[in-house]
Amino acid sequence: DIQMTQSPSSLSASVGDRVTITCQASQDISDYLNWYQQKPGKAPKLLIYDASNLETGVPSRFSGSGSGTDFTFTISSLQPEDIATYYCQQYDNSITFGQGTRLEIK
Amino acid sequence: EVQLVESGGGLVQPGRSLRLSCAVSGFTFDDYAMHWVRQGPGKGLEWVSSITWNSGSRGYADSVKGRFTISRDNATNSLYLQMNSLRAEDTALYYCAKDAQAEASSFDYWGQGTLVTVSS
Repeated sequence: DIQMTQSPSSLSASVGDRVTITCQASQDISDYLNWYQQKPGKAPKLLIYDASNLETGVPSRFSGSGSGTDFTFTISSLQPEDIATYYCQQYDNSITFGQGTRLEIK
Repeated sequence: EVQLVESGGGLVQPGRSLRLSCAVSGFTFDDYAMHWVRQGPGKGLEWVSSITWNSGSRGYADSVKGRFTISRDNATNSLYLQMNSLRAEDTALYYCAKDAQAEASSFDYWGQGTLVTVSS
């Protein structure tokens, strides 16, 4: 099974900061990697698909990059509404989610 | 508007069974793969099971393999999860999710979830 390791597990940042979350796969998954945002009490929302493609309607401050085993999710300028938990998910071999990164406002 | 509405959750004793349903609307159901994802209390997302557009392929997490069965009825736009031999660790909010493609890729729409509690 492919393991997905996200870091950090939690993060505190200020409004306007650039925020970066990483996700490492236990084996090569090409670009079969997606990113989701989950706000408290809500269902997850797809933000980035296939490592770097922005889902329709998602603000351009969100971006993703990487391929193979190492991936990065970035918020270019943190906004108060971005407070959430973020998950990566691979679909190269079965499906696995990362453990999540909780993002808080400093 | 795409809608996914889960039902069938509730309190069940360990070892018993439960069947979850997901009624969908707003898209051509038989064009897309579908999934179940769960989230235990205070925990992260855990993929449970997937089914391709034509039921030709089904996948399960190791934690539920042999106990859960995913199915779909393209005539009635419904997705199901039959859960047998339930355990306390199956307690979670169960989400139904639509895939962006006919086979597993990204989950572009989600329901609001149905809560399953396994306890004596």
